[in-house]
Amino acid sequence: GQNIDQPTEMTATEGAIVQINCTYQTSGFNGLFWYQQHAGEAPTFLSYNVLDGLEEKGRFSSFLSRSKGYSYLLLKELQMKDSASYLCAVLDSNYQLIWGAGTKLIIKP
Amino acid sequence: GAVVSQHPSRVICKSGTSVKIECRSLDFQATTMFWYRQFPKKSLMLMATSNEGSKATYEQGVEKDKFLINHASLTLSTLTVTSAHPEDSSFYICSARGPVGDMNEQFFGPGTRLTVL
Repeated sequence: GQNIDQPTEMTATEGAIVQINCTYQTSGFNGLFWYQQHAGEAPTFLSYNVLDGLEEKGRFSSFLSRSKGYSYLLLKELQMKDSASYLCAVLDSNYQLIWGAGTKLIIKP
Repeated sequence: GAVVSQHPSRVICKSGTSVKIECRSLDFQATTMFWYRQFPKKSLMLMATSNEGSKATYEQGVEKDKFLINHASLTLSTLTVTSAHPEDSSFYICSARGPVGDMNEQFFGPGTRLTVL
């Protein structure tokens, strides 16, 4: 079966750095997405990785290792507004998104 | 980025009535649209995938006669919840994607919160 694993919840301090991991086992791979979702709102796109390596975009970076079935989202200089759920999703061989359950990130002052 | 609108944002209806939710891609042609449902503190649950001009593909356990999906044009898909019941109360989110390979990313609408009394 297809499976995406990510931690259920993480806590970090304002101004610090946090890394949210995601491991996946899917039938085929056409890219991995990270989305941010605030409570009561729809997900918003953060990043897309299809090749191995690190993609940096401002305070957020996303890393992919296809051989390990592994990705992480790195958030730097954490702000209170970064408190949200972070969803990892993999595009499988049928171009269907397989979703992780999401990681709830709690930022403390 | 591409913009997807969804209407209405909130709807409250009586049990037994039908509710239609519209999803529109505003600045790109959405060859595929997806309908999701999300319960509080849970992840997204894909209900169905629709390609323009063809019948929607429903996920296992989703009643196609209850959740009617129409994707009549490249910019509009509708989800109709027929004979709604309180257990249908949920957050419904649509997303849209362009041609595969050209646009793999899904762009999400803002969601519709349905409350059935």
